[in-house]
Amino acid sequence: EAAVTQSPRNKVTVTGGNVTLSCRQTNSHNYMYWYRQDTGHGLRLIHYSYGAGNLQIGDVPDGYKATRTTQEDFFLLLELASPSQTSLYFCASSGDRGNYAEQFFGPGTRLTVL
Amino acid sequence: GDSVTQTEGLVTLTEGLPVMLNCTYQTIYSNAFLFWYVHYLNESPWLLLRSSTDNKRTEHQGFHATLHKSSSSFHLQKSSAQLSDSALYYCALMGLSGSFNKLTFGAGTRLAVCP
Repeated sequence: EAAVTQSPRNKVTVTGGNVTLSCRQTNSHNYMYWYRQDTGHGLRLIHYSYGAGNLQIGDVPDGYKATRTTQEDFFLLLELASPSQTSLYFCASSGDRGNYAEQFFGPGTRLTVL
Repeated sequence: GDSVTQTEGLVTLTEGLPVMLNCTYQTIYSNAFLFWYVHYLNESPWLLLRSSTDNKRTEHQGFHATLHKSSSSFHLQKSSAQLSDSALYYCALMGLSGSFNKLTFGAGTRLAVCP
């Protein structure tokens, strides 16, 4: 049983569209992360969170909002999608620092903005 | 801020030859955790190995790496490449600062192993 799930797995939208990507983890982890993966750039951190209601800005936050509603659920919001946001998005979760911070990744969401 | 450099975007090898993927890092913090994650096509990335101990070799699934703080390096090696090793490999750094487990990833190295 997958511990980190993402939905949808694929999404196509148009420029200016409104998109919400969902992530759920059943690891009982406090930390959750949203990354985008692009060739030549690797995995870049968009937003992350330590617990429900907590949000931290990552390294590439422009154009993205996030919300952590429960310990399990973390959402990424693109309110005015642009073609530059076409990417493969990964959600991940991790325990606290004492666990060497291993991150467990979901299967990814491929987003295309036309 | 923290940074990780993987100099090769693509490494192509013949099966049976040794593998070495380079990783260097920069951080202002003396304590750092270094990681290698592997990402196979159409799967999720997962942790291959990790270390925070200077000059100690860490091994997993035939791969090994040694953290050298003097040169800020954590190169990934394997004695003999297999076709199944073809994947995208990420080096990542967690500097021990603040309250959050934030990883900084390199750009990744794609390893292609050919027969």
